[in-house]
Amino acid sequence: DAGITQSPRHKVTETGTPVTLRCHQTENHRYMYWYRQDPGHGLRLIHYSYGVKDTDKGEVSDGYSVSRSKTEDFLLTLESATSSQTSVYFCAISQTGTRDQPQHFGDGTRLSIL
Amino acid sequence: RKEVEQDPGPFNVPEGATVAFNCTYSNSASQSFFWYRQDCRKEPKLLMSVYSSGNEDGRFTAQLNRASQYISLLIRDSKLSDSATYLCVVKPPGNDMRFGAGTRLTVKP
Repeated sequence: DAGITQSPRHKVTETGTPVTLRCHQTENHRYMYWYRQDPGHGLRLIHYSYGVKDTDKGEVSDGYSVSRSKTEDFLLTLESATSSQTSVYFCAISQTGTRDQPQHFGDGTRLSIL
Repeated sequence: RKEVEQDPGPFNVPEGATVAFNCTYSNSASQSFFWYRQDCRKEPKLLMSVYSSGNEDGRFTAQLNRASQYISLLIRDSKLSDSATYLCVVKPPGNDMRFGAGTRLTVKP
């Protein structure tokens, strides 16, 4: 299994609170990604990073911010959580961003916003 | 229209059956294609890449038709352990990947 650890694995919180999810990798891969997965939708990209301090927006970035201060860590923050952000969040990594490189996923974080 | 479309299923087949899944994509500039497998409440795992010439890995065969923007996955001699959701994944130009919502397969004894 790819060396990817997501924390926490489960979280329940209230609307309006800040939430930070952490993704830690031991593979020294350059690219890291945050996705959300909801019923009826495929995984949708929130943000990704192509290096330390280098990040870019994905398809569903509104309401989310990210930071990458070290190669191994990629943080996803919900500044003020809303119920629509209840979802399963997956972190993924890839060695490069080139077209033939698949992504490998962490175990996921189940987030419930009440 | 979704960028990657799959029949959600469910497909319910007996052990030993052959089953095929299809996937269509809308971005003709897409460059790479993959099938992932996702078990219930687990992370997606790479099953196989899909090459232009088609490729086979044991009981699994993937085909790509660029002209029709269509990808398929064939599973022969289905096993109980093949029960999962199969995700079609397409990589358009850039650093993103686009995922289909998945096709659910249940293999029954």
